[in-house]
Amino acid sequence: ELKVEQNPLFLSMQEGKNYTIYCNYSTTSDRLYWYRQDPGKSLESLFVLLSNGAVKQEGRLMASLDTKARLSTLHITAAVHDLSATYFCAVDISFSGYALNFGKGTSLLVTP
Amino acid sequence: SAVISQKPSRDICQRGTSLTIQCQVDSQVTMMFWYRQQPGQSLTLIATANQGSEATYESGFVIDKFPISRPNLTFSTLTVSNMSPEDSSIYLCSVVPGQRGHEQYFGPGTRLTVT
Repeated sequence: ELKVEQNPLFLSMQEGKNYTIYCNYSTTSDRLYWYRQDPGKSLESLFVLLSNGAVKQEGRLMASLDTKARLSTLHITAAVHDLSATYFCAVDISFSGYALNFGKGTSLLVTP
Repeated sequence: SAVISQKPSRDICQRGTSLTIQCQVDSQVTMMFWYRQQPGQSLTLIATANQGSEATYESGFVIDKFPISRPNLTFSTLTVSNMSPEDSSIYLCSVVPGQRGHEQYFGPGTRLTVT
């Protein structure tokens, strides 16, 4: 059974600071997703990482994938309050069918 | 990205009844899925909605409880049958457009409360 583990599950950080969220998964997969969810809202797609060594950046967020270590990271640079949300990583469990297995999510609160 | 709508957006239902949730996409998509998000939890895949054939269910989910239809490439329904309070969740459909890469987009969700 595929397991997807995120840590930390809760993160409170000050504005302007940097931090990294980690996503480990237990079996081979070449497709990893990061989503953002605001309270009461649906999921917003942030990144799709498709190959070993893939790195993508959007604004203050940067995601990377190491398929050998079965690890993805979401790095937050100089956090701002608007980044407060829950962040999920998800792994394709079907290899070709896009069925996703989600981590538990990291609830991020950015404070002044 | 694909524009996805779901109906209803929320509902309160009595135990033992059934509710059908609709998912409509603004363009033809390769794949459609149904997920459940229980209160304060992550998302769990219920099934893959296959166009023109029976859905493919994940472990722990059965067709009698969650019948799914997908009559064409833009529409799918999920029925939550014989509901109990444990079915109170947000139900989300998702789509993979296919033509534009590997992105998977989620609908706004249907918030179901069973009393």
